Amino acid sequence: AQKVTQAQTEISVVEKEDVTLDCVYETRDTTYYLFWYKQPPSGELVFLIRRNSFDEQNEISGRYSWNFQKSTSSFNFTITASQVVDSAVYFCALSEAEDNFNKFYFGSGTKLNVKP
Amino acid sequence: DTGVSQNPRHKITKRGQNVTFRCDPISEHNRLYWYRQTLGQGPEFLTYFQNEAQLEKSRLLSDRFSAERPKGSFSTLEIQRTEQGDSAMYLCASSYASQSTGELFFGEGSRLTVL
Repeated sequence: AQKVTQAQTEISVVEKEDVTLDCVYETRDTTYYLFWYKQPPSGELVFLIRRNSFDEQNEISGRYSWNFQKSTSSFNFTITASQVVDSAVYFCALSEAEDNFNKFYFGSGTKLNVKP
Repeated sequence: DTGVSQNPRHKITKRGQNVTFRCDPISEHNRLYWYRQTLGQGPEFLTYFQNEAQLEKSRLLSDRFSAERPKGSFSTLEIQRTEQGDSAMYLCASSYASQSTGELFFGEGSRLTVL
């Protein structure tokens, strides 16, 4: 079974629009970590954020914000006032205590196109 | 620090040939991971090393695949008797053991095309 689902394959917005990328995860572990990574056209995945299962506080970092809801097993990512440089593929990932946090399960990614 | 380095960046080979990819992690990182990414998909876990020990291998890693990290520094991933289905981007990542739940630092990947 897919542990991380990103239902949005591709999203296109116009610059300055807000956009939310959805992530739904599945795990039986009570202890786990969730991540978001950005993969620009150059190909190198870049870490954006880590959230552990005990911390449901939402986080804001500049134009980025993350909404973690255990009740719906979701970890959504919002970009406010999007910019062309935000164009990339964004991956949500899960790491579980069962695997000693040695394995990371990635979703299939959401490609974000920000048009000027 | 130069980050995680992977070579070659691109490899085109004929079916049945062997290929080898190399990964040089960030120098102080003792954990090293190999992932495979096909078009339109997220990275899939292949294997993981802590120092020179290969601690976990995915079911995806058939007998034709072998990975080594002989001195706990660089790693190689060899694919023998390549098949067209092996065409993918092979990603290497490294991390600190003390940050076992932390971020992965990825290289730019090695793209394999099997004709």
